[in-house]
Amino acid sequence: EVQLVESGGGLVQPGGSLRLSCAASGFTFSTYWMSWVRQAPGKGLEWVANIKQDGSEKYYVDSVKGRFTISRDNTKNSLYLQMNSLRAEDTAVYYCAKDDTSGQPDYWGQGTLVTVSS
Amino acid sequence: QSVLTQPPSASGTPGQRVTISCSGSSSNIGSNTVSWYQQLPGTAPKLLIYSNNQRPSGVPDRFSGSKSGTSASLAISGLQSEDEADYYCAAWDDSLNGPVFGGGTKLTVL
Repeated sequence: EVQLVESGGGLVQPGGSLRLSCAASGFTFSTYWMSWVRQAPGKGLEWVANIKQDGSEKYYVDSVKGRFTISRDNTKNSLYLQMNSLRAEDTAVYYCAKDDTSGQPDYWGQGTLVTVSS
Repeated sequence: QSVLTQPPSASGTPGQRVTISCSGSSSNIGSNTVSWYQQLPGTAPKLLIYSNNQRPSGVPDRFSGSKSGTSASLAISGLQSEDEADYYCAAWDDSLNGPVFGGGTKLTVL
């Protein structure tokens, strides 16, 4: 059974940093693209970033370029999202997702809430 | 503002058939496959349809998907109260190198 468990969310001040983690199990982590997708309170889904199997390719939505960094450790079956220079508009539930061969999520974690507020 | 366009709401009575539309462009739906997700209140999204019209194991055949050109649709037949949820379409976007989502459709079972 595929399981994705996020951690690391919390309350942070504007301009602060946070690192999200996602522990994956139930599938061969090193053979799949992975993504982070977020959902602001009461809003829809927004793809944030994705990373290739070996970490050699990474892509980001424009609004987080230069501030967020996606990474992975295939030896630990883990996905990460380093978030710097956080803004109020980054407040959201952040989901870790396994991507299928079309590049779209097929399994999602339960999400971790990030709140950016003073 | 979402890249893919969905109606914000839809409704139906138990047993009815409802459809939810999703409109995109040549860089996403027009050249890639479409997925649909169901999000029950307070939970993570769940894959409902992939590759335009394929159902993952465990998804009832009451749910079906189709795609034509730069648009797609999700149909739910034999509507049930437990189908009340938010539904999102998605497709890979060639210009973003990532998936784009619709704004979501809130389905109400009357």
